[in-house]
Amino acid sequence: GNSVTQMEGPVTLSEEAFLTINCTYTATGYPSLFWYVQYPGEGLQLLLKATKADDKGSNKGFEATYRKETTSFHLEKGSVQVSDSAVYFCALRSGGSYIPTFGRGTSLIVHP
Amino acid sequence: GAGVSQSPSNKVTEKGKDVELRCDPISGHTALYWYRQSLGQGLEFLIYFQGNSAPDKSGLPSDRFSAERTGGSVSTLTIQRTQQEDSAVYLCASSPWDRAGNTGELFFGEGSRLTVL
Repeated sequence: GNSVTQMEGPVTLSEEAFLTINCTYTATGYPSLFWYVQYPGEGLQLLLKATKADDKGSNKGFEATYRKETTSFHLEKGSVQVSDSAVYFCALRSGGSYIPTFGRGTSLIVHP
Repeated sequence: GAGVSQSPSNKVTEKGKDVELRCDPISGHTALYWYRQSLGQGLEFLIYFQGNSAPDKSGLPSDRFSAERTGGSVSTLTIQRTQQEDSAVYLCASSPWDRAGNTGELFFGEGSRLTVL
C-alpha cells in the first residue's frame, strides 16, 4: 500500500535559518506528491505539488523536488520567517486512487 | 462562503452519546473527503464521496461511524455511541474535477474538534 514518512518534529529554528523537512514515500505506480501547511487555528492548505519525476514544486519561497530514485520529496526553504511556524504535511496520490495518503506532519517553530 | 465550512467547530459530548458533524464543501466540487486528525497520528482517511457514485467507506474505523452526502453537496458524519478514543479533530475536504479527472488538490475546512468525556 501507499505510505508517507516524515521526519519527527518539532523542528525549531531561528529566523533566517535554512529549513529542510524530509519526506519519503512508498507508492504503487507514479504518484503525485504534495506538501500541505496548517497554520495555527486554520485548515490545511496546499503549499506546493509535483506530478512527475524531477519536477520541482515551489511557492512562498519553499521548494521540493520529486526524486523518483530516492522516493523522496524533501521540503526546503533558504531563509525561514516567524510566520512560517506551522505544521507541514507531506502527501501523495497514486494513479490508481483518488484518496491522498498523508504523513504524520512536522511541526516547525521559528524563533525571532 | 468561498471555502469549505464545517460545524460545529467544537463539540464536547458524553461517552455513549451520538454526534453529527456537518461539512459544506466548495460549490461545484464533486469530490468530498472526511479525515480524522489525532494528536501525533497525522491524517487518517475515513470516507470519500465522488458525485453520485457509491462512497468509498474503507477508512471508517467501526460500524458506529457513518456518513451521507445529500444532493451531491452537504455531508454529515455521524458517530453513534461515542467512545473516548473518538476524540479527535474531524476534517472535511473537497476537490474539483477537471477534464483529466481529479486534480489531486484538496481544499480543507478548519475542522470539528470532538471531545468525548
